[in-house]
Amino acid sequence: KNEVEQSPQNLTAQEGEFITINCSYSVGISALHWLQQHPGGGIVSLFMLSSGKKKHGRLIATINIQEKHSSLHITASHPRDSAVYICAVSSNYKLTFGKGTLLTVNP
Amino acid sequence: NAGVMQNPRHLVRRRGQEARLRCSPMKGHSHVYWYRQLPEEGLKFMVYLQKENIIDESGMPKERFSAEFPKEGPSILRIQQVVRGDSAAYFCASSPQTASHSGNTIYFGEGSWLTVV
Repeated sequence: KNEVEQSPQNLTAQEGEFITINCSYSVGISALHWLQQHPGGGIVSLFMLSSGKKKHGRLIATINIQEKHSSLHITASHPRDSAVYICAVSSNYKLTFGKGTLLTVNP
Repeated sequence: NAGVMQNPRHLVRRRGQEARLRCSPMKGHSHVYWYRQLPEEGLKFMVYLQKENIIDESGMPKERFSAEFPKEGPSILRIQQVVRGDSAAYFCASSPQTASHSGNTIYFGEGSWLTVV
C-alpha cells in the first residue's frame, strides 16, 4: 500500500461542474501539499496545508489531520483546469507523492 | 516558481552516454531537491543537497547517478552510462534556509525530460 493514495485516478467533468479529488495518507506529516502539473509541463504548488482549510480563487483545499485525509475542490470547473493534480506529504524535508489524478474538463 | 531554472528542458541520449541536468535554485534558496517522475508513476525523491553538501541521497540509485551543488553555480544531476530505464522527467525544487517543506511553499523547476534511445 502506498503511503499516499489519491482518488480517483482519472476524472472527467463537464465545464461548470464541482470537482473533488481526495488524498489519504498513512504516515505522520508536517504538511500536505497540492500540486498541479499540465501534460509535459512543470509543477506548480497550489496549496500547503497543515490544518483546516484554504481557498484560492475557485480552488479549496481541506485537511483532516485526525483522519489523515485531504480534499481538493474546484468550483465552476473550466477546461483550463484540465491537468494532473498531485497530493504530496512532507515530513521535514522529504516529500512523498501520490500518483496523481488526471482531470479532464470538457467544454 | 519560474525562479527555479532547469536545463536542458529536453535531452536525448544514446544508451551508454552521460546525461547532465542542471538546476539553479531560486534566489536566496540554499536547499535543492531532485525528484524523478517515471512514465506512469508518481514523483519520487532522489536527493537533497545544500551548498557543497549532500544531506540525503537515499532515493538515488547507488550506481551511475551522482549529484552535486557546488559553492558557485547550479546543482548538477549526473547520470553516467544511461540506460532506457533512465528515461524520465527530472524535477528540481528549492527551499530557503530551513530544510523543512512544512512551513514553506515548494518551488519546482519546469523539469528536464530525458529520453534514452
